[in-house]
Amino acid sequence: DIQMTQFPSTLSASVGDRVTITCRASQSISRWLAWYQQKPGKVPKLLIYKASSLQGGVPSRFSGSGSGTEFTLTISSLQPDDFATYYCQQYSTYTPYTFGQGTTLEIK
Amino acid sequence: EVQLLESGGGLVQPGGSLRLSCAASGFSFSRYAMSWVRQAPGKGLEWVSASSGSGGSAYYADSVKGRFSISRDNSNNMLYLQMNGLRAEDTAVYYCAKERYCSTVDCLPDDAFDVWGQGTVVTVSS
Repeated sequence: DIQMTQFPSTLSASVGDRVTITCRASQSISRWLAWYQQKPGKVPKLLIYKASSLQGGVPSRFSGSGSGTEFTLTISSLQPDDFATYYCQQYSTYTPYTFGQGTTLEIK
Repeated sequence: EVQLLESGGGLVQPGGSLRLSCAASGFSFSRYAMSWVRQAPGKGLEWVSASSGSGGSAYYADSVKGRFSISRDNSNNMLYLQMNGLRAEDTAVYYCAKERYCSTVDCLPDDAFDVWGQGTVVTVSS
């Protein structure tokens, strides 16, 4: 199975900051990577698919990049609504899909 | 509006069984692969099982293989997860999730999840 490693596990930042979360795959997944946002008690929300494509309705301050084994999610200017947990997910193979362990973005 | 609504969760003893259901609406159900994803209390997301659009292909995580069975009724827009031999480590919120796009003839699982249900809670405890 493909392992996904996210870092950092926790990130403290302030409103207006630019933040980057990294996700690393144990083998190449081309660009078959998604990013989700989850707030406490809420359902995961798709932000980015195919490494860099923005899902409809997602603010443009979110962006994704990368290919192969190294990927990043960047939030260009943090807003109060962005403090949440973020997960990467690979869908390179016909399952098993695997998620990263999550990055919790906290208010500094 | 695209919606997924899970049901069937509850408290079950170790070794017991449950059948989860997911009612889909607002999209052509048979044209999308569907999955079950779970989240244990305070933990991350774990993919559990996927079904192709026709229901002819099923896939499972190693942690549930041989105990869980996914199925779907495309005529009624329903997805199911039959869970047998439940263990304490199966305790979680179970979400059904729709894939974003169908890119193969049978809509095999190969895309991100763009719609999630609200989840149903499964607790395995004596």
